[in-house]
Amino acid sequence: AQTVTQSQPEMSVQEAETVTLSCTYDTSESDYYLFWYKQPPSRQMILVIRQEAYKQQNATENRFSVNFQKAAKSFSLKISDSQLGDAAMYFCAYGGIQGAQKLVFGQGTRLTINP
Amino acid sequence: SQTIHQWPATLVQPVGSPLSLECTVEGTSNPNLYWYRQAAGRGLQLLFYSVGIGQISSEVPQNLSASRPQDRQFILSSKKLLLSDSGFYLCAWTVRAYQETQYFGPGTRLLVL
Repeated sequence: AQTVTQSQPEMSVQEAETVTLSCTYDTSESDYYLFWYKQPPSRQMILVIRQEAYKQQNATENRFSVNFQKAAKSFSLKISDSQLGDAAMYFCAYGGIQGAQKLVFGQGTRLTINP
Repeated sequence: SQTIHQWPATLVQPVGSPLSLECTVEGTSNPNLYWYRQAAGRGLQLLFYSVGIGQISSEVPQNLSASRPQDRQFILSSKKLLLSDSGFYLCAWTVRAYQETQYFGPGTRLLVL
């Protein structure tokens, strides 16, 4: 079974600086996809960024980018120019491509932005 | 555009009472639907998923059940709630295509007393 591990329960960063959240996963599959979701205090899960495993190029979405290391099974999220609105829980998730496209989530990292 | 609704937003129920949480999706057809539970300060655990009307798969043995009476409606139920059923319940949907993203509803906070 696939597992996802986020080793940083909490992180903090100064506003306007850059922070990196770590995620590792375990799978025997060669094709899959990975996600970062954000959960603000409202608790709704919001997609931040996704990465297809077959793509070597790292995904980027404005201030958010990932460092995808397939061999190391590592998938970190970098947030540049941190803003107060970035404060939230961040979850890394693994998605298989077979069957019903179920997601496996990590335990989350709580990100605090210091003004 | 597609939207997903969940109700109620918050629910406080006594132990032993029944439960019915509803999730509906608008703006799409034949979605895959999912129920997740999130305990306080924890990640999401997949409870049930459905790939079509009347087709339910359970991921974790528990006190809950799910049903899909219509294409875009997904219901989470219990005949008798336990204290351990407290949590935050999230519904999600995705199109039935290759490697599509799951989109989540606003969630239901359930407190069993």
